Amino acid sequence: GAVVSQHPSRVICKSGTSVKIECRSLDFQATTMFWYRQFPKQSLMLMATSNEGSKATYEQGVEKDKFLINHASLTLSTLTVTSAHPEDSSFYICSVPGQRYEQYFGPGTRLTVT
Amino acid sequence: DQQVKQNSPSLSVQEGRISILNCDYTNSMFDYFLWYKKYPAEGPTFLISISSIKDKNEDGRFTVFLNKSAKHLSLHIVPSQPGDSAVYFCASIGANNLFFGTGTRLTVIP
Repeated sequence: GAVVSQHPSRVICKSGTSVKIECRSLDFQATTMFWYRQFPKQSLMLMATSNEGSKATYEQGVEKDKFLINHASLTLSTLTVTSAHPEDSSFYICSVPGQRYEQYFGPGTRLTVT
Repeated sequence: DQQVKQNSPSLSVQEGRISILNCDYTNSMFDYFLWYKKYPAEGPTFLISISSIKDKNEDGRFTVFLNKSAKHLSLHIVPSQPGDSAVYFCASIGANNLFFGTGTRLTVIP
């Protein structure tokens, strides 16, 4: 399957600042990437679908002005959490779709907003 | 509204025995199901999948069973090994989205 990396693996930021998370597909060109969020003891929730060269598609309830997604190339998608608040603290994971319905996930980014 | 449910948050099994992880779903339109394995601080790893036209899919020690009438699927791991200790998520495809369960933490005791 595809190899997906994320950077940083963990980040701590102050409330009100912005944080950028990178997702890279290392061995596969991905026109689509997915961004998920996982709160403790909860399932992974899809936030948005990142589309190379066009706007991302956001799930209901996800603020597109707060979670900025840029998919500038076939191997890189970025998620920027703007004006972060403590309630944004979570585990953010990206994924790349496989040949059928499977998805290949990055290692995740632990965001802590203080 | 949780469309995919894993009612057992944890399961402990002796090494060498069978592990059975269960998953229920509510949407009868789901037609493809997947199991993922997740270690702490890592992203999920795809394990095995099954299409709704099948009732069983086997890959080595891992077998997934699907009971469409009951909207239930299960993952069997036999024999269980200590390295299988992880959180297991089931997921279903619906409207091109993946819906995940809340996970079951499997601990295989040596």
